[in-house]
Amino acid sequence: SYVLTQPPSVSVAPGQTARITCGGNNIGSKSVHWYQQKPGQAPVLVVYDDSDRPSGIPERFSGSNSGNTATLTISRVEAGDEADYYCQVWDSSSDHPDVVFGGGTKLTVL
Amino acid sequence: QVQLVQSGAEVKKPGASVKVSCKASGYTFTSYDINWVRQATGQGLEWMGWMNPNSGNTGYAQKFQGRVTMTRNTSISTAYMELSSLRSEDTAVYYCARVGAVAGISWFDPWGQGTLVTVSS
Repeated sequence: SYVLTQPPSVSVAPGQTARITCGGNNIGSKSVHWYQQKPGQAPVLVVYDDSDRPSGIPERFSGSNSGNTATLTISRVEAGDEADYYCQVWDSSSDHPDVVFGGGTKLTVL
Repeated sequence: QVQLVQSGAEVKKPGASVKVSCKASGYTFTSYDINWVRQATGQGLEWMGWMNPNSGNTGYAQKFQGRVTMTRNTSISTAYMELSSLRSEDTAVYYCARVGAVAGISWFDPWGQGTLVTVSS
């Protein structure tokens, strides 16, 4: 089955740029979606189809995807961005399409 | 606005079944697949399966095959997820989530608020 690998944690100072990676075999050929989850809350979509932003999500959130790595970039990080972030793809390599989530990355704002 | 509202917390004994509901509003219920995802305390997101509310067709993650059933009642725009033969490892928050595009294989937006299912003797 397809595996997505995320770093367990990323730390960044306020105002700096955070980059959260999501590794997978030839992930560049798939559409990657990213979710933000704050404690006690449901996940919220922040980037879809590699680099598109839902309405209401700040322009500070952006995404890219190439080769074996997808990246969520958060510019000018704010204290309110502290959360867990998950990447997600659909794996259609078998006759049974499955959803795969990365293990999640805890973003800490120093 | 598009919204998914789930049923309340449940406490079940090992071996029992639980049925969680997910009521949709703000859009045409039969036009978008509903997926179910669970999350154990302190753990990551685990996908359970999808259901097409129009046809009733379903697709389940291999891990849950034979134990999960996803259904719907289109007259009240509500999706259901039933998990049987519960064990302690099934203690988790269960989320429903709508796909973002009519095509089905896409992102999840929005999500329900989550339903805590506790399995304990």
